[in-house]
Amino acid sequence: GIQVEQSPPDLILQEGANSTLRCNFSDSVNNLQWFHQNPWGQLINLFYIPSGTKQNGRLSATTVATERYSLLYISSSQTTDSGVYFCAVDPSRDDKIIFGKGTRLHILP
Amino acid sequence: DTEVTQTPKHLVMGMTNKKSLKCEQHMGHRAMYWYKQKAKKPPELMFVYSYEKLSINESVPSRFSPECPNSSLLNLHLHALQPEDSALYLCASSRQGAKYEQYFGPGTRLTVT
Repeated sequence: GIQVEQSPPDLILQEGANSTLRCNFSDSVNNLQWFHQNPWGQLINLFYIPSGTKQNGRLSATTVATERYSLLYISSSQTTDSGVYFCAVDPSRDDKIIFGKGTRLHILP
Repeated sequence: DTEVTQTPKHLVMGMTNKKSLKCEQHMGHRAMYWYKQKAKKPPELMFVYSYEKLSINESVPSRFSPECPNSSLLNLHLHALQPEDSALYLCASSRQGAKYEQYFGPGTRLTVT
């Protein structure tokens, strides 16, 4: 089946820093989503981005489907950005999405 | 409105109890999902309902029994669980299937004693 790899697995940054999270996938996909899971467990939708570039405030994402990767950029980090960031893809073989293992981000005040 | 609600938020149950988790969405979505998430792991798919019919069961033990009474509601009935079933249970919905954006509820944190 499709492999979804996220890097780095863990990231510790000072407040105000910028970061880039990466998601590689091993096969073509119908869609790709980025989620932020906060410390209370809620999965928050960040981007639905099967291809192209999107921006939402301090966050932006780019998916290059032909090269099978997506990047999530976080600028001017805040402590509320802490949590786990997951990418999830739909490999279009059956009706389910496949999650990567996540990047655990900790922003220090 | 992109809200999926789940009740209860927390549940503690003994191994002989029967309990149910509830999930509701009013976005008109026709696909609904149950996931199980253990600490420091990604969500793991359990069941998919498409147009109120069970379309995917990821070989989940029969002590977990899903039910979709109508297009807005999804239940997960629990019976004779084991301590290793303690986890965060997440419900999600999407417009028609996996190629559409999925929206997650806040989860039910289940502890089996």
